[in-house]
Amino acid sequence: KQEVTQIPAALSVPEGENLVLNCSFTDSAIYNLQWFRQDPGKGLTSLLLIQSSQREQTSGRLNASLDKSSGRSTLYIAASQPGDSATYLCAVSSGSARQLTFGSGTQLTVLP
Amino acid sequence: DAGITQSPRHKVTETGTPVTLRCHQTENHRYMYWYRQDPGHGLRLIHYSYGVKDTDKGEVSDGYSVSRSKTEDFLLTLESATSSQTSVYFCAISEGQTTSTDTQYFGPGTRLTVL
Repeated sequence: KQEVTQIPAALSVPEGENLVLNCSFTDSAIYNLQWFRQDPGKGLTSLLLIQSSQREQTSGRLNASLDKSSGRSTLYIAASQPGDSATYLCAVSSGSARQLTFGSGTQLTVLP
Repeated sequence: DAGITQSPRHKVTETGTPVTLRCHQTENHRYMYWYRQDPGHGLRLIHYSYGVKDTDKGEVSDGYSVSRSKTEDFLLTLESATSSQTSVYFCAISEGQTTSTDTQYFGPGTRLTVL
């Protein structure tokens, strides 16, 4: 059974800081790994998708890496802003239906 | 944004009553999923569908049933609601591509409270 862990559970940083969120998974047989953002009381917004054959993916100030053999991914956020405050969820796609298995998330607060 | 709507958005019901949640998509995507989100557990898959009338169970399917009679609609039914089914329910869709670029898009969620 696939299990996904995210560390830390919560993180508070001052504005402008660069930060790293961590995600680990137990079964390396994945199709892809996705990072989502969730604002309080809202749905999930897809940030980045890394295919199983890729090592990293970038979008603006976000960079996600994937080391499938070790079961790890990181989400790097550069020059953080208060608007980045949200919960960040990591999910891996596996199984015949490519269903997602989620971590519990990292709650990020960026202080002005 | 992907065209996914969920109804109702909020519902309060009593233990023992049946409840049906609806997910509607305008993207003509093949796959549809129901997840629940609970504090400390993240999102967990309840059921999914890979085509009209084709459904299968997920990780936490006990107490739930689903139906898909049209490509655009996926219904989740709580046969006899219990307090443990108080949760936020999310619907998701994907094209079901065989490549590893397949992305899931999520609806806005339904907050269900069972008293």
